[in-house]
Amino acid sequence: AAGVIQSPRHLIKEKRETATLKCYPIPRHDTVYWYQQGPGQDPQFLISFYEKMQSDKGSIPDRFSAQQFSDYHSELNMSSLELGDSALYFCASSSKGTGYYEQYFGPGTRLTVT
Amino acid sequence: QQQVKQSPQSLIVQKGGISIINCAYENTAFDYFPWYQQFPGKGPALLIAIRPDVSEKKEGRFTISFNKSAKQFSLHIMDSQPGDSATYFCAASINTGTASKLTFGTGTRLQVTL
Repeated sequence: AAGVIQSPRHLIKEKRETATLKCYPIPRHDTVYWYQQGPGQDPQFLISFYEKMQSDKGSIPDRFSAQQFSDYHSELNMSSLELGDSALYFCASSSKGTGYYEQYFGPGTRLTVT
Repeated sequence: QQQVKQSPQSLIVQKGGISIINCAYENTAFDYFPWYQQFPGKGPALLIAIRPDVSEKKEGRFTISFNKSAKQFSLHIMDSQPGDSATYFCAASINTGTASKLTFGTGTRLQVTL
């Protein structure tokens, strides 16, 4: 079965640089979520989108922005990167078929800021 | 403030034994309680989930027990295997109509020894 696709899988950036992470949800999933997971921590919700509109916002820094496109893929844009932004970034998707309850996570993007 | 409390933080179980992980929540608006399994460097994988109108759900070797009045739920892994060694996160979810909002526990690192 098709899963959530994230790219790139690994990214190394320097402080103050910009990064763009991409997410391709499971086909026919119309809601996308972004999470940040630090070492040894639980995933922290950043933001979610439904039908290209932001549906909820969590602890996302103002330096980060995201959007969902007409093909339902989503991009997380991170500017003025800081050392503390080093983490695993996960995208998840869900669909109306499961009442949006079942969130399926991608393999993640490991961002390292040096 | 952690809205979903999970214990223990780590657990060592012998092969063939029973692994038990406990979670507690405060917000009675939560209406879906999934468990995720995460291997190092991988995305969380939805393992099993329960709704609050059910007291128990079993899928293979995995069972969720749910106590609505106590606001507690637990994951039991029967006949634990070395391949079960991973970090397990309980979560609680609220459906917003077009998305769900997941709140994770802090995770339990399970090690199954031979």
